[in-house]
Amino acid sequence: SAVISQKPSRDICQRGTSLTIQCQVDSQVTMMFWYRQQPGQSLTLIATANQGSEATYESGFVIDKFPISRPNLTFSTLTVSNMSPEDSSIYLCSVQGTGANVLTFGAGSRLTVL
Amino acid sequence: GENVEQHPSTLSVQEGDSAVIKCTYSDSASNYFPWYKQELGKRPQLIIDIRSNVGEKKDQRIAVTLNKTAKHFSLHITETQPEDSAVYFCAATVENDMRFGAGTRLTVKP
Repeated sequence: SAVISQKPSRDICQRGTSLTIQCQVDSQVTMMFWYRQQPGQSLTLIATANQGSEATYESGFVIDKFPISRPNLTFSTLTVSNMSPEDSSIYLCSVQGTGANVLTFGAGSRLTVL
Repeated sequence: GENVEQHPSTLSVQEGDSAVIKCTYSDSASNYFPWYKQELGKRPQLIIDIRSNVGEKKDQRIAVTLNKTAKHFSLHITETQPEDSAVYFCAATVENDMRFGAGTRLTVKP
């Protein structure tokens, strides 16, 4: 399965600032996704990162708050903008690998907003 | 959109006993049902999956069953071990859209 490198692994941020999370995959993948996992909660899809076009956002998530880039088939970034304490969460990059629909997750980025 | 419900939210068993986690889904177009295990502080890892053309799949101590008519699927872990302690998530997928259940925290007592 694909090997995913995600960084930063964790960060502590001040309210009102923005942070960009990077996701690098060791092979070209068609589908890349960004998930959020709030403390003790399930995995919620933020958006599908589309190569060469705007990301597709799920209900409740907007581009101004979570801008996403995907310049090629191995790399994507998620920015959490104008952060508030409610944005404290783990953000996970995931990719659809060689098996149809099979999803592999990155190690996640744990954000704490003070 | 797809809605996945998972029960129970917590499950405690004695080592060696079996554990069963159940999920239901709402969208009859769902055709892929993975189960993920997430240990504390780690990423979710796929442990077993089943597609809609199969009713049951087994991998050593882990098995998954699918009832498409009733729109529910279950994870069965036999001969549980302390290292099975983790949070387990079920998911249902329509095309590339994967939705997760709320998770089950399994504790296996030695």
